[in-house]
Amino acid sequence: AIQLTQSPSSLSASVGDRVTITCRASQGISSALAWYQQKPGKAPKLLIYDASSLESGVPSRFSGSGSGTDFTLTISSLQPEDFATYYCQQFNSYPHRLTFGGGTKVEIK
Amino acid sequence: EVQLVESGGGLVQPGGSLRLSCAASGFTFSSYSMNWVRQAPGKGLEWVSYISSSSSTIYYADSVKGRFTISRDNAKNSLYLQMNSLRAEDTAVYYCASLSIHHDAFDIWGQGTMVTVSS
Repeated sequence: AIQLTQSPSSLSASVGDRVTITCRASQGISSALAWYQQKPGKAPKLLIYDASSLESGVPSRFSGSGSGTDFTLTISSLQPEDFATYYCQQFNSYPHRLTFGGGTKVEIK
Repeated sequence: EVQLVESGGGLVQPGGSLRLSCAASGFTFSSYSMNWVRQAPGKGLEWVSYISSSSSTIYYADSVKGRFTISRDNAKNSLYLQMNSLRAEDTAVYYCASLSIHHDAFDIWGQGTMVTVSS
C-alpha cells in the first residue's frame, strides 16, 4: 500500500503567518492527492483536489502544489479559523487501499 | 441541502455486532460511489470500505476484511456498514463520505457516529 508521510506533525504559528505543510508519498501518485481540514469534533472538509485545484467555496489563501511523490499545502496568511488539523489523501490506488497522511495540527503560537 | 447523516453507533462488547446507517439527501445518491472512513480517538483518518454506485464493486481495508460488510439501498438513499466480530481497536468515529463525481476527492461527509467496543 502507498504510504503518505506528512510533516511536520504539528506546528505553532501566528495569525498572518505563511504556513507550509508537506506530504510525501512512498511511490509516485501523479497528481492524485487531496487535502482536508478537520476541526475538533467535526468531519473533514475538502480543501484541495488533484493536488492543486481549489474546492469551490474554499478561500484563495489555501493552495496546493506538487506531483509524483512530493506535495505541499500552503496557507498564505493564517487566519484564526484556520487553526485545525490537515490531512492529505492519495487516490492513485482508488478505490482500494486508500491512505491518508498522519495529519498536521496547526496551533496558535 | 446536501447532507449525509450517520446513525447506529453505540457501545458494544468485544465480539459483538453493530450496523451503521448513512442517510443521504439533497443529491442523487444512486450516482455516487460511497465510502466509510473511521477515526480512533485522538488519531488520524483511516479508510474502511468502498462501494460503487451500483454495488457491483466493493473493497475493504485489510484491517476489517472478513468482519465488515458494506451495502447500500439506492431506493432508500442509504448506505450501511455491518460490523461483526468487533474488537477494541475498532473503537472510532465512523464517517460516511461520497466520492465527487467530478474529481478524485471525498466532497461530502457525514457528521460521524461513535462506536465504542468495550466490556
